[in-house]
Amino acid sequence: AQSVTQPDIHITVSEGASLELRCNYSYGATPYLFWYVQSPGQGLQLLLKYFSGDTLVQGIKGFEAEFKRSQSSFNLRKPSVHWSDAAEYFCAVGADSWGKLQFGAGTQVVVTP
Amino acid sequence: EAGVVQSPRYKIIEKKQPVAFWCNPISGHNTLYWYLQNLGQGPELLIRYENEEAVDDSQLPKDRFSAERLKGVDSTLKIQPAELGDSAVYLCASSGGLAGTNEQFFGPGTRLTVL
Repeated sequence: AQSVTQPDIHITVSEGASLELRCNYSYGATPYLFWYVQSPGQGLQLLLKYFSGDTLVQGIKGFEAEFKRSQSSFNLRKPSVHWSDAAEYFCAVGADSWGKLQFGAGTQVVVTP
Repeated sequence: EAGVVQSPRYKIIEKKQPVAFWCNPISGHNTLYWYLQNLGQGPELLIRYENEEAVDDSQLPKDRFSAERLKGVDSTLKIQPAELGDSAVYLCASSGGLAGTNEQFFGPGTRLTVL
């Protein structure tokens, strides 16, 4: 069965510091991988996605993620966080092209001045 | 381009009452999803439509939940009767169904509180 694990429930980072959010998945083949961000009272917004090709993918808002097949990971990074990056971040996997996604439990990011 | 529209944004009801949520997907998107998001958790798929056909409703509690997408456009999710444990955010998403992309666009959700 497929699963997604986000080991960090909560991360606090200083504004301007780098950020890395971890995501590990369990799936029999190469899944479709996604990172979404959810601000309070908002729907989920897609940051980036990976299907195939270059394992380092660039997304919106200065985020990037790296797919590592050997580690079954898809970690999200940002070199320098802004106060507006405070939100909840969800990693998700899709098994096929039909759109069924399984989400991790999310990581809450707090940005301090 | 307008995003996924959901209404109401907030709903407070007493247990055992019925409730309905409405979703209008992005124009032209043939795939529509309803997700349930409990506090502190990621969304979980309840049902997925391809046009007007429910192609995956395995996670929908059919004893009290129902959904419809009669003309393959907007959709309604209903709970009758509501229970305390149904308090959550109900998210609607849509996808253009382009093969190999799987990109889903989410609405803002309906926050349900059952008292």
